[in-house]
Amino acid sequence: KQEVTQIPAALSVPEGENLVLNCSFTDSAIYNLQWFRQDPGKGLTSLLLIQSSQREQTSGRLNASLDKSSGRSTLYIAASQPGDSATYLCAVRKAAGNKLTFGGGTRVLVKP
Amino acid sequence: EAGVAQSPRYKIIEKRQSVAFWCNPISGHATLYWYQQILGQGPKLLIQFQNNGVVDDSQLPKDRFSAERLKGVDSTLKIQPAKLEDSAVYLCASSSSWGGGKNGLYEQYFGPGTRLTVT
Repeated sequence: KQEVTQIPAALSVPEGENLVLNCSFTDSAIYNLQWFRQDPGKGLTSLLLIQSSQREQTSGRLNASLDKSSGRSTLYIAASQPGDSATYLCAVRKAAGNKLTFGGGTRVLVKP
Repeated sequence: EAGVAQSPRYKIIEKRQSVAFWCNPISGHATLYWYQQILGQGPKLLIQFQNNGVVDDSQLPKDRFSAERLKGVDSTLKIQPAKLEDSAVYLCASSSSWGGGKNGLYEQYFGPGTRLTVT
């Protein structure tokens, strides 16, 4: 059974600092991995999707890496801003069209 | 394109009462998912539909939860009777069955969720 873990559960940084969010999964046989952002009281917004054959994916200040063999993904957010404060969730998909298995999330606070 | 719609946004009920949630997926999306997100945790899949057929309901508490997607479009999730531990946000998501989407490859799009409080 796939288990996804995100450590730390919460993180507080001063504005301008780079953010590093970790995600680990127990079964390396994945189809792809997604990073989401969730604001309080809101649904999930997809940030990046990495295919199992890819090593990284970039969008603006966001960069996600994937090391499938070791069961790890890292989300980097450069030059953090107060607007980046949210909960970040990673999720893995075992097969095409299959469900997502989520980690517990990392709650991020960027202090001005 | 219009996103995934859910209603109601909030619901407060007493234990042992029943409640129903509604979801309208993105037009043309054949796959629909219901997730339960308990406070402080990641979402957990309750049920997955492909058109109007059930693909995965292994984590659905079938003694009290039911879901349907009769015409392969809208879906309803029902809880009867509700328990205190059912307090959570219920998220609906949809995806294209052919792997399309902004980032491709079965990306799931989520609705705003329904926050249920059972007292």
